[in-house]
Amino acid sequence: QKEVEQDPGPLSVPEGAIVSLNCTYSNSAFQYFMWYRQYSRKGPELLMYTYSSGNKEDGRFTAQVDKSSKYISLFIRDSQPSDSATYLCAMSSTGFQKLVFGTGTRLLVSP
Amino acid sequence: DVKVTQSSRYLVKRTGEKVFLECVQDMDHENMFWYRQDPGLGLRLIYFSYDVKMKEKGDIPEGYSVSREKKERFSLILESASTNQTSMYLCASSPGHTLQETQYFGPGTRLLVL
Repeated sequence: QKEVEQDPGPLSVPEGAIVSLNCTYSNSAFQYFMWYRQYSRKGPELLMYTYSSGNKEDGRFTAQVDKSSKYISLFIRDSQPSDSATYLCAMSSTGFQKLVFGTGTRLLVSP
Repeated sequence: DVKVTQSSRYLVKRTGEKVFLECVQDMDHENMFWYRQDPGLGLRLIYFSYDVKMKEKGDIPEGYSVSREKKERFSLILESASTNQTSMYLCASSPGHTLQETQYFGPGTRLLVL
């Protein structure tokens, strides 16, 4: 079993839809949770970072962590075609940046 | 502006060749990383470095070595390339020793080993 599971998609939605992207994990020691966005032929870029449980909001993006269920989510409100990308979750149990990545979910937002 | 550059976007090599992948960051970052990214497997850490001349094995170091002679440059070496090393290779850097500091990724090198 992988430490981090993520549905590869693709997830296709119309412009303006609310998108929910999710990851589950098995290591209860994970405390740091991140979402990266990767456009085609580019390197990943950090979107959101949360520590431990709770919610964090940044514009149209909200990250949620439920440590009791070992489940994290990224919500995108009012999705745009420019949001079309692969979204990677990543997590770590230490502060020294050894991250474990999910396989990524490909999101397609159609105009 | 943050910048991580990789020497090649695309590379084609033959089995048994020695391959050098170069990564340069211009942000005076302490930490540098090499990952490979494969469909269905995500990003996997090959090696990382917290300082000049220092290296640590990641999760899949077999078949690879690294070199960090200068702070800004981190090289990945495939001593004898094999077809199962065909992959996308991503370099990243980050400023210091706390997770609050973002990892910045380069554009990646797509390596094909024939």
